[in-house]
Amino acid sequence: GAVVSQHPSWVICKSGTSVKIECRSLDFQATTMFWYRQFPKQSLMLMATSNEGSKATYEQGVEKDKFLINHASLTLSTLTVTSAHPEDSSFYICSARDITSGSSYNEQFFGPGTRLTVL
Amino acid sequence: GDSVTQMEGPVTLSEEAFLTINCTYTATGYPSLFWYVQYPGEGLQLLLKATKADDKGSNKGFEATYRKETTSFHLEKGSVQVSDSAVYFCALSYSGGSNYKLTFGKGTLLTVNP
Repeated sequence: GAVVSQHPSWVICKSGTSVKIECRSLDFQATTMFWYRQFPKQSLMLMATSNEGSKATYEQGVEKDKFLINHASLTLSTLTVTSAHPEDSSFYICSARDITSGSSYNEQFFGPGTRLTVL
Repeated sequence: GDSVTQMEGPVTLSEEAFLTINCTYTATGYPSLFWYVQYPGEGLQLLLKATKADDKGSNKGFEATYRKETTSFHLEKGSVQVSDSAVYFCALSYSGGSNYKLTFGKGTLLTVNP
């Protein structure tokens, strides 16, 4: 089946530093990848939609200058949390849509998530 | 806007008990409906889906029927196992949209005891 990986799986950083999280589709091509944030005991909140070769589309309330997204290839999207602060601590999850599946039901394949802790 | 409401957890059951997790939605159009499952320490996995009214999605003994008249997509399983312990998310999305964004419910934690 379609596999999406994320790296790192967890990261601890100091306040003010930047952290990059990678999302890769391992066995399929994904023109569209999504970045979510999940708070403890809460649902996934869509942060942005990343399209290969173009600028990401951010959801309302998400700071695009703080959460930089790059989707440079059909298998890789990155999320960089710039000047991280403790309130950015969260579980970040990516997903990818398989463009070759011909699916009309829009299945997204999810990565295992990255736990970010900002001290 | 679109939204998904699912029953609050946590839900604790004994093995072989019957499971129902309620999910209702509000949508401006005719979405596809999904149940995702998140096992401890893992990412979300698609459990089942339904793309139009009266469709029944099923997988691993779980079932859900797309009820347009009640705007519901309740998840059921006749006999749960310890291995079903996980967080379950109901979600909707639109076919043919430019972004195929998923709108999730808040998730329901299920714990099955032996």
